[in-house]
Amino acid sequence: GQQVMQIPQYQHVQEGEDFTTYCNSSTTLSNIQWYKQRPGGHPVFLIQLVKSGEVKKQKRLTFQFGEAKKNSSLHITATQTTDVGTYFCPNAGGTSYGKLTFGQGTILTVHP
Amino acid sequence: EPEVTQTPSHQVTQMGQEVILRCVPISNHLYFYWYRQILGQKVEFLVSFYNNEISEKSEIFDDQFSVERPDGSNFTLKIRSTKLEDSAMYFCASSSVGGYTFGSGTRLTVV
Repeated sequence: GQQVMQIPQYQHVQEGEDFTTYCNSSTTLSNIQWYKQRPGGHPVFLIQLVKSGEVKKQKRLTFQFGEAKKNSSLHITATQTTDVGTYFCPNAGGTSYGKLTFGQGTILTVHP
Repeated sequence: EPEVTQTPSHQVTQMGQEVILRCVPISNHLYFYWYRQILGQKVEFLVSFYNNEISEKSEIFDDQFSVERPDGSNFTLKIRSTKLEDSAMYFCASSSVGGYTFGSGTRLTVV
């Protein structure tokens, strides 16, 4: 089945620094979704990317889907302490309704 | 913004007891899910539910577990004969096109 690997596992930044996390798949993805989970919280859907080369922005967050639809990135500009949490790109198995298979995600710590 | 509502937020139960975790998915969503997250570990898929039946389940979802949609709004997870290792945060989720909405979870502690 599809394997989606995410790096880095941990990232510590100073407030104001940028942050990027990457997801890489061994096979072509039909779509990729990004979620954020605050410490002690629940996963929150951020975005879904569907088109090859797609770039979407949400305020300081920029999401990118690779041309080959095998990789994706989430970039946060000028991190704030509210960005703390774990960012996931779970494997959706090529569907919009199937199970999500979560990896360990990228744990972001922001030092004030 | 529509929400997935879960009750209770915390549940403490004795080993061997049965618990029912309740969820109210978003009203126009058709797909429903249960996930769990043991403290410090990954979010794990348990079961998906569509059209009043289970569409997929994981190895974790054995005979100890069952799901039900007893009416048009509630979606429940029943855990029979709870074990210590069932202690976890249980998340309900529902989906439509493009993204899943998770509830805030029920923290289950088995003592």
